Amino acid sequence: EVQLVESGGGLVQPGRSLRLSCAVSGFSFDDYAMHWVRQVPGKGLEWVSGIPWNSGLVAYADSVRGRFTISRDNAQNSLYLQMDNLRPEDTAFYYCARGPLYYNDWFLPHFDFWGQGTLVTVSS
Amino acid sequence: DVVLTQTPLSLAVTPGQPASISCKSSQSLLHTNGKTYLYWYVQRPGQSPQPLIYELSRRFSGVPDRFSGSGSGTNFTLTISRAETEDVGIYYCVEGIHLPPAFGGGTKVEIK
Repeated sequence: EVQLVESGGGLVQPGRSLRLSCAVSGFSFDDYAMHWVRQVPGKGLEWVSGIPWNSGLVAYADSVRGRFTISRDNAQNSLYLQMDNLRPEDTAFYYCARGPLYYNDWFLPHFDFWGQGTLVTVSS
Repeated sequence: DVVLTQTPLSLAVTPGQPASISCKSSQSLLHTNGKTYLYWYVQRPGQSPQPLIYELSRRFSGVPDRFSGSGSGTNFTLTISRAETEDVGIYYCVEGIHLPPAFGGGTKVEIK
């Protein structure tokens, strides 16, 4: 059974940092691209960042570029999102999602499995 | 940037009846490889988003065949042929032609 479990969310002050993790099981993690998608409570979905299986390329939404860093550890079957200089508008549920299998398609929003999400609240 | 506009914002459907959601893109989603990179997801109450349709009209594994995707270029439709009570939720279209991918604003489906 495919499982994605996010952790690391919580309440943090503006300007501080937080690191989210996504532990996966039930599939060959190092075969797939992975992505982060967020959702302000009660609002729509926003793609945040993505990374192919070999971390060769990464991509970010304009709203987080330069502040967030996506990474993965294939040996640990884990995806990460390092969030620095957090702002109140970063308050959201953060979901990790499994992306495409094929490297050339790594950036496509082909998300066949999602985690349950972790809530990040940025407030003083 | 690409903008996806979904209509209606909300929709009340009678069980057993069809329902359609429109998604209009500000740019063509037809790739030079012939594929149309338009996806549909549903977020049921209290749950994470779940996949429905990829590449315009292909169902993700396990998705019931009452869900279908259609359209071309910049105009797309998600159709539920016979709505069921479990279909309540917010439906989102998302495009894959551009990076970053853009989501539509969502359509809330309720069951009468």
